[in-house]
Amino acid sequence: DTGVSQDPRHKITKRGQNVTFRCDPISEHNRLYWYRQTLGQGPEFLTYFQNEAQLEKSRLLSDRFSAERPKGSFSTLEIQRTEQGDSAMYLCASSLSGLADTDTQYFGPGTRLTVL
Amino acid sequence: GQNIDQPTEMTATEGAIVQINCTYQTSGFNGLFWYQQHAGEAPTFLSYNVLDGLEEKGRFSSFLSRSKGYSYLLLKELQMKDSASYLCAVRDRDYKLSFGAGTTVTVRA
Repeated sequence: DTGVSQDPRHKITKRGQNVTFRCDPISEHNRLYWYRQTLGQGPEFLTYFQNEAQLEKSRLLSDRFSAERPKGSFSTLEIQRTEQGDSAMYLCASSLSGLADTDTQYFGPGTRLTVL
Repeated sequence: GQNIDQPTEMTATEGAIVQINCTYQTSGFNGLFWYQQHAGEAPTFLSYNVLDGLEEKGRFSSFLSRSKGYSYLLLKELQMKDSASYLCAVRDRDYKLSFGAGTTVTVRA
């Protein structure tokens, strides 16, 4: 078990460009979550999946944000037409639903996005 | 939604005990979590409470009172490596976590 992994770890882009981040959850975890964290704040929920179904996306910050989990394994988060306000740490977490694991969310190392 | 409050900063001496309080207002409570986060790193899971009472895990303990909307994380025998941000998070019935802003704990020698 290698834990949750995210790629890339750092991304610098120019305003207006599109970026895509990838998250690989802990194997066999069926739930996958995306959060955004800015300096001095706790993580802010964006969206989550159970298997390949996206169960909540109303918290995505705008229609420039979209996420997919096509085969119920890895997930991608895309931000189109990036703005300087999108600069943040994007965290992915995964959990296993069911009584045995209390559905605890385990976080990946994050992708730090800087928009110039 | 959730409204979660915790102190911004706390300082303590190596070997001492520190208690971090967390109060919350929730529209659907399904558990309270504490995470530790070192600067520039991901949050790591520390403890989970869903029923009232104290959960102890080594040097760390967490307490929950659902009727009061209150939790605390107790760190005993503080070590320098415990200097970090501690995040209180409430889970709702849809399994989403809402986090407080975090409490930065500084351990002094």
